[in-house]
Amino acid sequence: AQSVTQLGSHVSVSEGALVLLRCNYSSSVPPYLFWYVQYPNQGLQLLLKYTSAATLVKGINGFEAEFKKSETSFHLTKPSAHMSDAAEYFCAVSEETGNQFYFGTGTSLTVIP
Amino acid sequence: ETGVTQSPTHLIKTRGQQVTLRCSSQSGHNTVSWYQQALGQGPQFIFQYYREEENGRGNFPPRFSGLQFPNYSSELNVNALELDDSALYLCASSWAGRGTQYFGPGTRLTVL
Repeated sequence: AQSVTQLGSHVSVSEGALVLLRCNYSSSVPPYLFWYVQYPNQGLQLLLKYTSAATLVKGINGFEAEFKKSETSFHLTKPSAHMSDAAEYFCAVSEETGNQFYFGTGTSLTVIP
Repeated sequence: ETGVTQSPTHLIKTRGQQVTLRCSSQSGHNTVSWYQQALGQGPQFIFQYYREEENGRGNFPPRFSGLQFPNYSSELNVNALELDDSALYLCASSWAGRGTQYFGPGTRLTVL
């Protein structure tokens, strides 16, 4: 079965600082990888996805992620944090032909003014 | 284009009762997946429906059941509610049982 590990359940950054949220996956086959964001009392919104095209994926709101097969990682970054980025972020993986998404436990991002 | 919608928004039940949650898929999508998100956790896959049939199931007991209708909307039914069933239930739609899943706002179920 697939699994996802998100290192750091809580991350705090200053406004304008680099955001780095870590995600590692275990998969025996090339996976599909996703980052979702969840604001309080809301569902999940897709930020970006990797589906075996370019290894550097650009998403919405200035976020991007790089797929590194050798490190089985898919870390999420944003050059400059904004107050509105404060939310819960989830990394998810599925197999290419899979129907089930496996989610990490999430990282809560706090942005300090 | 209409996104994924879920009803009701909130629900309070007592232990042992039964509950039905509803989901309408995004226009153009024929697959619905259901997830349970306990407080402070990531979503856990319950099952998926594709063309009105169950197309995969996670590690949930049989008292969690579902339906998909010809218009691709779906229901999640939970019988004999337990306190641990308290969670946010998320519905996601996609095309042909694979690929990107788009989530609804969720139904918050509280079991007392």
